[in-house]
Amino acid sequence: KQEVTQIPAALSVPEGENLVLNCSFTDSAIYNLQWFRQDPGKGLTSLLLIQSSQREQTSGRLNASLDKSSGRSTLYIAASQPGDSATYLCAANPSGGSYIPTFGRGTSLIVHP
Amino acid sequence: DGGITQSPKYLFRKEGQNVTLSCEQNLNHDAMYWYRQDPGQGLRLIYYSQIVNDFQKGDIAEGYSVSREKKESFPLTVTSAQKNPTAFYLCASSQRERDEQFFGPGTRLTVL
Repeated sequence: KQEVTQIPAALSVPEGENLVLNCSFTDSAIYNLQWFRQDPGKGLTSLLLIQSSQREQTSGRLNASLDKSSGRSTLYIAASQPGDSATYLCAANPSGGSYIPTFGRGTSLIVHP
Repeated sequence: DGGITQSPKYLFRKEGQNVTLSCEQNLNHDAMYWYRQDPGQGLRLIYYSQIVNDFQKGDIAEGYSVSREKKESFPLTVTSAQKNPTAFYLCASSQRERDEQFFGPGTRLTVL
């Protein structure tokens, strides 16, 4: 059974720092991996989707990488801002069998001015 | 304005009551999903539907039921058989299964 772990569980940084959030998964047979942002009491907002054949995806100040062989994905946030404060979740979608994505518990990020 | 709507935003249930959560999308997506989120835990899949008039159980389907009579609608009923229903419920959709998922704003259900 797939397990997805996100480290660290919480992170507090000053504005302007470059950040790396980690997502590890135990089963490398994934179809794709998706990163989300969630603000308190809100739904999830899709940030980036990386297909299993890709190594990275970029959107603005965000860059996500995927290394299937080592079971890891990282989300890089450049020049962090207070508006980046939120919980970041990753989800691994399986490549075969029934479709049940596995979510990590998230990294809670606070960027202080 | 394309997106996913969920209603109500807050819902209170008495013991022994069934309640239905609404989820509507105008993205013309084939696949729709229901997740449950509890504090400090990852999202868990309750049910998903790949096409109209078809749906499959997720990891935690016991005590829940769904229907998919229209492409744009995927309501979730929380029955009295669900012993611990207090949670945040999220609906999502994607063009097809395993494609990029888009989420609604959520419904917070509380048992009184």
